[in-house]
Amino acid sequence: NAGVTQTPKFQVLKTGQSMTLQCAQDMNHNSMYWYRQDPGMGLRLIYYSASEGTTDKGEVPNGYNVSRLNKREFSLRLESAAPSQTSVYFCASSDRPSLYGYTFGSGTRLTVV
Amino acid sequence: GENVEQHPSTLSVQEGDSAVIKCTYSDSASNYFPWYKQELGKRPQLIIDIRSNVGEKKDQRIAVTLNKTAKHFSLHITETQPEDSAVYFCAASREAAGNKLTFGGGTRVLVKP
Repeated sequence: NAGVTQTPKFQVLKTGQSMTLQCAQDMNHNSMYWYRQDPGMGLRLIYYSASEGTTDKGEVPNGYNVSRLNKREFSLRLESAAPSQTSVYFCASSDRPSLYGYTFGSGTRLTVV
Repeated sequence: GENVEQHPSTLSVQEGDSAVIKCTYSDSASNYFPWYKQELGKRPQLIIDIRSNVGEKKDQRIAVTLNKTAKHFSLHITETQPEDSAVYFCAASREAAGNKLTFGGGTRVLVKP
């Protein structure tokens, strides 16, 4: 039982390049989330998907797009990477966040140069 | 939207002493308050949570208290040990579709032997 799997674990991009961060969960959870973590700023929500087929913006969506491919997979795309997007990205999932909280993936450390 | 403030940002304690981290939230409709622990280089993991119908919850050496009137909640760690050294995040959410968590900025706790 892998839980939440994120790929890749590390990535270096040049400014203007694009990439997709992949996230998959095997717990049959309805809700999935993408957060970014920056020093001193906690975890900030980028996008979330309350259920398969729906996506909504979070606190910091600019520069990102998402796709809820199916119930298991939720990807995050950077179309034109900027140095301000250097961060650690966490995917999370939950069935009932108000009852069980989130399960986080192991994170992707992204550096944009 | 919800705003969660967390204090202090860093906390250094002697092994065996107690540690207290405080959070305030802005949305009076929030009703679920989890705490996450993140060790260096690892993913955040849920350590304890509390719901709005409860004023206090304990789990061995950790406890959380909630004051809904004042809109603040706290994490208490007693008899601290070196393995308690980590970053701790508080969060808040309301029961609704998506149930997205809003996180505080985090507290780095260092337990000195």
